[in-house]
Amino acid sequence: AQTVTQSQPEMSVQEAETVTLSCTYDTSESDYYLFWYKQPPSRQMILVIRQEAYKQQNATENRFSVNFQKAAKSFSLKISDSQLGDAAMYFCARPGGSNYKLTFGKGTLLTVNP
Amino acid sequence: NAGVTQTPKFQVLKTGQSMTLQCAQDMNHEYMSWYRQDPGMGLRLIHYSVGAGITDQGEVPNGYNVSRSTTEDFPLRLLSAAPSQTSVYFCASSYLRDGAGELFFGEGSRLTVL
Repeated sequence: AQTVTQSQPEMSVQEAETVTLSCTYDTSESDYYLFWYKQPPSRQMILVIRQEAYKQQNATENRFSVNFQKAAKSFSLKISDSQLGDAAMYFCARPGGSNYKLTFGKGTLLTVNP
Repeated sequence: NAGVTQTPKFQVLKTGQSMTLQCAQDMNHEYMSWYRQDPGMGLRLIHYSVGAGITDQGEVPNGYNVSRSTTEDFPLRLLSAAPSQTSVYFCASSYLRDGAGELFFGEGSRLTVL
């Protein structure tokens, strides 16, 4: 079975500091996409960032960036200058079995302390 | 911009009752799916569809039925509700585009089975 592992059930960070959320996955594919989704208390699922596996360059979206290590099958999310609004559950996801069915990790609950 | 619309947002059922969670999208997405979210389990795929008339099982399909008669609608039916089906349900859709497509989520439906 295709799996996605988020080893940190909970993390906390001070406002304005940097935090890294980890994610590892398994795959037999050579070309695929990886995603980080955010779920704030409103319950809405929001795409944070997307990485194409064939691209060497790590994806960046404003304060959010990834550290993608293809050989290690690692896909961590770095949040810089953390803000109170970043407090949420974060899910790592990758296509499982076909390119459009996403398999999600169990999530990391991020708390941002003022 | 309606996006993905789920109804109802909250529902309480008694064991053995049946109900249908409605999902509609107005983005002409080929792919639609249903996930359930339980504490500590992340999101797990129940059923999915790659187009009208085509459905398939995900990771946790037992106790649920789906149909896809139109591109826009993808209802999820609980045939005989059980307490184990107490969960938050999400409908999500995307383009079929080599896995690059972002999944767009509805706001979720919280179901409680007594």
